[in-house]
This record gives sequence, structure tokens and C-alpha cells, in this order.
Amino acid sequence: GAVVSQHPSRVICKSGTSVKIECRSLDFQATTMFWYRQFPKQSLMLMATSNEGSKATYEQGVEKDKFLINHASLTLSTLTVTSAHPEDSSFYICSARANLGRGLRNEQFFGPGTRLTVL
Amino acid sequence: QKEVEQNSGPLSVPEGAIASLNCTYSDRGSQSFFWYRQYSGKSPELIMFIYSNGDKEDGRFTAQLNKASQYVSLLIRDSQPSDSATYLCAVKEGSNDYKLSFGAGTTVTVRA
Repeated sequence: GAVVSQHPSRVICKSGTSVKIECRSLDFQATTMFWYRQFPKQSLMLMATSNEGSKATYEQGVEKDKFLINHASLTLSTLTVTSAHPEDSSFYICSARANLGRGLRNEQFFGPGTRLTVL
Repeated sequence: QKEVEQNSGPLSVPEGAIASLNCTYSDRGSQSFFWYRQYSGKSPELIMFIYSNGDKEDGRFTAQLNKASQYVSLLIRDSQPSDSATYLCAVKEGSNDYKLSFGAGTTVTVRA
């Protein structure tokens, strides 16, 4: 249980285009999903917290108009990188919060990540 | 996000030895602590969590927590080459039950 998928796993796009990344909880309902970005040799940096049916909460320094987040259902959240530029190239990882009642106390489960390369 | 500090490494240990990883955190109100393992090019996977002071053992892994010192550690016994990865310490913020703050990670290399 507690499987999170992401699609696509890898995307290469031209500068100025938009890219959508999907994050799905496959066997549980996730009221909260998180989007992280990880640059090479660095740790995960939280970009935003996404709650189903409401607007995402963005971390300081993250442009909400550039990184559009939609959490339309309890199993799906999407991140759209608008007008992507080479500096947006990174590893984007989502996680979903699950209350599985097994002592995990609302643990976060991570998707496999999406490698974005902007040319 | 609150600060979580780890030695970046690399930490090199021979096969069969104990690897010891340390982590300190700044938010004294933090209650939940996690260790994730991340292989190169992959997303993190949870290997241990600890909420109470003291030791918690799971197989070859032991997590140790000292809230007074704001310190959490991970011991890997009988290290195997497959343990070679980056280990991320994560702390659930005391003021927010959901958000995790991650350390930069410690890279461990187990020499065969």
C-alpha cells in the first residue's frame, strides 16, 4: 500500500514551453500532496503544499504563477511549469500524505520523481 | 522551513562495518523524525522513523533520538554495498504537522 506514481518520469522541452507533471496516489486517498524540487547534489526543497479542493500554499521564493498546482481530486495533483527556462531544469518529486493507521502518523510517501530538462 | 544539518560526507565504510550518520535540527518543537535513503536518480524511500527519545531498531538500522540535544542519528550495522546511497534526515516541523524539512543528506559508500 501507499504507492505514489508520477508521470512523466522524464521530459525534455524547449525553453518557453509549459510542462505538466502528474502525481497520483494509487491505493489511498491523499488530502495533502507536496511538491519538491531537487537540484544535483542538493537536498529536497519544498515548493508547495497542495490540499484537495483548495489553493496550494507556496513556500517563500516560489513563484505561484510559474508553478501552477492543481489538486482536483483526492488521488491526483498536477504541477505545471509555465514558460520553462533552462534554470528550471531539475528533479521534481511529489509526495502524498497518508493516514494509514499503522503508527506512521500521517506519513509522506514519495513518487518516483520527474526529471525535467529545459533546452 | 526549519534548519536540518547533516554532514555531507562522503562517508566510506568497509563492508560489514557500522556506518554512523548524524543529524541536528533547529526547531525545538519538532516531534517526528525520519531517515530516508535516496539512490542516485531516484526519489527518497523511508527507512526509519522515530518519535520518542532513545533507540529504535529495525533490522540492521537503529535510529537514536535525543530531543534535549536536538540530535538524531542513524546506525547501519553490517553495512552492505547495496547500502551505498545518500541518507536524508527529515524533521516534521513542530508548528505544522505535515511539512518536512530535509537535511542536505550524507552520502555513504560501502566498500566491498
